[in-house]
Amino acid sequence: GAVVSQHPSRVICKSGTSVKIECRSLDFQATTMFWYRQFPKQSLMLMATSNEGSKATYEQGVEKDKFLINHASLTLSTLTVTSAHPEDSSFYICSARDQAQSEKLFFGSGTQLSVL
Amino acid sequence: ILNVEQSPQSLHVQEGDSTNFTCSFPSSNFYALHWYRWETAKSPEALFVMTLNGDEKKKGRISATLNTKEGYSYLYIKGSQPEDSATYLCAFTGRDDKIIFGKGTRLHILP
Repeated sequence: GAVVSQHPSRVICKSGTSVKIECRSLDFQATTMFWYRQFPKQSLMLMATSNEGSKATYEQGVEKDKFLINHASLTLSTLTVTSAHPEDSSFYICSARDQAQSEKLFFGSGTQLSVL
Repeated sequence: ILNVEQSPQSLHVQEGDSTNFTCSFPSSNFYALHWYRWETAKSPEALFVMTLNGDEKKKGRISATLNTKEGYSYLYIKGSQPEDSATYLCAFTGRDDKIIFGKGTRLHILP
């Protein structure tokens, strides 16, 4: 099956620093990737939809200047949390759509971000 | 506000027993319903994608049904095994391509 690789799996950083998370589709081309955030005991919440070669579409309430998304190639999307603060501490996970497989989403393994 | 509800939140089942849980979703603007299995420290794994009312899908001991008119889907596991322990997520996709996830049902299989 399709594989999506997400790195890093865990990040601990100081308040004010920026953190970059990578999401790669290893064996298929992903024209669309999705970024989610999950707080404890809550649902996965879609933050933004990342389209290769164009600007990401952000969900309501998600600051685009805070969460920078770049999808420069068909296999790589990155999420940068800029000037991270403790309230940004959360679990971030990406998924990619493989159009050849019935609209299934393939997920990365997630990144646990802790901002001190 | 569109909501996807899963119940129960958590479930303990004896090994060998069968079980099922529910996902309810908006019946309007429906495009697809997805089920995923999410084991700890791994990526969520796609189980089923269903689009038609009355759809039934099966993968080994796991099956799912879909009722789009009343807005619910059931996931069934027959003869539970320890490896079935995971969180099962459902996700609703609307015709606007928005995907909304439920909070998941956490399944624990007791040896």
